[in-house]
Amino acid sequence: QAQLVQSGAEVKRPGASVKVSCRASEFAFSSYFLHWVRQAPGQGLEWMGWVYVGNGKTKYSQKFQGRVTLTRDTSANTAYMELSSLRSEDTAVYYCAKLALPGKVYFYMDVWGKGTTVTVSS
Amino acid sequence: EIVMTQSPATLSVSPGERATLSCRASQSVYSSLAWYQQKPGQAPRLLIYGASTRATGIPARFSGSGSGTEFTLTISSLQSEDLAVYYCQQYDNWVTFGGGTRVEIK
Repeated sequence: QAQLVQSGAEVKRPGASVKVSCRASEFAFSSYFLHWVRQAPGQGLEWMGWVYVGNGKTKYSQKFQGRVTLTRDTSANTAYMELSSLRSEDTAVYYCAKLALPGKVYFYMDVWGKGTTVTVSS
Repeated sequence: EIVMTQSPATLSVSPGERATLSCRASQSVYSSLAWYQQKPGQAPRLLIYGASTRATGIPARFSGSGSGTEFTLTISSLQSEDLAVYYCQQYDNWVTFGGGTRVEIK
């Protein structure tokens, strides 16, 4: 069955960058839009953006525009989320998620990674 | 941006009783509405999509209804394992999530 496996927890200093990976298996990775969602401690879910695996096109939430970069490596079946200029408010669990249908830009998310905890602390 | 508002923030229900969760959109999202369940320390899990269709493997006690701007998730007979936070998500216009409803066992 389709699966997304994310990289391990990270601890970063304020001002640094972090890059989280999301490796896909058991589905046609290149046909999907891969979305990223984050969740601060005790808070709700916050959509960050998407990358279309097929051609690398991206779209970001205005909140993260300029600080987030979503990329993918189709040869490795892996997507990446890089967040720069980290501050304490970026401490959160970061999730990747695939949409339920290929080729759909906005849809419901049927498979989620387990999440990557990023802690920003001096 | 479409704003999704969930109520109540916390719902305390006795085992076997009905739980009713609400989600309101700031503008019509038609039936482009999904519900997710998130248990402590876990990733969200898809429960309902298209406002009323249960995802694969979801028990029949979970049901969704509504369209346009008003949606409801009903758990017909609450089980102890239903302790979780429930989120609605619209996908008609970009993606936005509601703030969540925490379901507690009374």
